[in-house]
Amino acid sequence: DGGITQSPKYLFRKEGQNVTLSCEQNLNHDAMYWYRQDPGQGLRLIYYSQIVNDFQKGDIAEGYSVSREKKESFPLTVTSAQKNPTAFYLCASSSTGTIETQYFGPGTRLLVL
Amino acid sequence: RKEVEQDPGPFNVPEGATVAFNCTYSNSASQSFFWYRQDCRKEPKLLMSVYSSGNEDGRFTAQLNRASQYISLLIRDSKLSDSATYLCVVGGSDSWGKLQFGAGTQVVVTP
Repeated sequence: DGGITQSPKYLFRKEGQNVTLSCEQNLNHDAMYWYRQDPGQGLRLIYYSQIVNDFQKGDIAEGYSVSREKKESFPLTVTSAQKNPTAFYLCASSSTGTIETQYFGPGTRLLVL
Repeated sequence: RKEVEQDPGPFNVPEGATVAFNCTYSNSASQSFFWYRQDCRKEPKLLMSVYSSGNEDGRFTAQLNRASQYISLLIRDSKLSDSATYLCVVGGSDSWGKLQFGAGTQVVVTP
């Protein structure tokens, strides 16, 4: 089945720790995105990538980093610089640009210990 | 002012009834419009794209009003399974224009 997978489903971070969220897609999509969702708010864009080995900052990139070494994979690292990381993180992909439908993975809930 | 605004609800709807709600957007140059459905603690899933002429998918009808900068969603013959949060999503002025997500409208269908 084609789709987007994210792991883990839940992730706990200790103070000062970097953690990496996995996102993999087998839809052969060029574009991939990371969003953060907080209660009562719309999704906010963290980073996006239009093509392998290229990515751009979104609205709230501070404290996060990404890589796009393979078309299928777009991991997100939440660094210790992100002071309020507790949120629901969603990865998405689309065939080309944002004018196309975005398909979402099941999400990762990050909690701070 | 938020770029995409939605009434958070909840809209409490008896099963079988019709419910409609709107979403307003601020960027008049926006080119793409979508409604997504999000169940509690799950990922958003595309419900339908919204086209200039309006479009229907079964019990769901979406309309776009560019002059007043809003899109609407109407659900007919509501089912219990329609209970969810409906996200309004508006794209930018070109193919890589950033998507703006509304915070969602909650719909609760009651027996």
